[in-house]
Amino acid sequence: EAGVAQSPRYKIIEKRQSVAFWCNPISGHATLYWYQQILGQGPKLLIQFQNNGVVDDSQLPKDRFSAERLKGVDSTLKIQPAKLEDSAVYLCASSLRRAKSRGDTQYFGPGTRLTVL
Amino acid sequence: AQRVTQPEKLLSVFKGAPVELKCNYSYSGSPELFWYVQYSRQRLQLLLRHISRESIKGFTADLNKGETSFHLKKPFAQEEDSAMYYCALNPADNYGQNFVFGPGTRLSVLP
Repeated sequence: EAGVAQSPRYKIIEKRQSVAFWCNPISGHATLYWYQQILGQGPKLLIQFQNNGVVDDSQLPKDRFSAERLKGVDSTLKIQPAKLEDSAVYLCASSLRRAKSRGDTQYFGPGTRLTVL
Repeated sequence: AQRVTQPEKLLSVFKGAPVELKCNYSYSGSPELFWYVQYSRQRLQLLLRHISRESIKGFTADLNKGETSFHLKKPFAQEEDSAMYYCALNPADNYGQNFVFGPGTRLSVLP
């Protein structure tokens, strides 16, 4: 089966600019996650969707980050305006089962490496 | 709030030696624990989970609720085991809390 797709793979922007990332999950997967992974740290969950509804966005900096999953398939994550501390790899993952259920496996995309200058 | 710690940032062992990657967690409920692995230039992927009680690529991990640990072990390390390993916790019995990853341990298996 095709894996989770993400684009772009790399992005370099200047602070205060805007950027958007795209994710296409595995077909049929109900749950979609966006993570931020800063260099030297583990992935940090930003937002979690089940189909097209937000399950949890408690760790999303809502003053500058936004995300949507229209039609319960693809998702976009946007940062506006970007700050230096937003430099990180942004990972998208999807899973078959409903959000937060037991026995679920997350499948990860290759990530987008963002550098904010 | 739930938390996962991995005390070693880097662990180096020789090929054929036993390896143990440590993971401790803090969570008041009944957690579900995982090990995820990222090989060089590859995606993050699931290695194993505690509920399956399986051995994958020779690795095993036992959930010790008394010590709140989920250490990953392999009796004889191979060079291809060199990778980043992340311990992760799913608070599946508490809908208000989030999936959380530890900071990771880089395993380097020397020839």
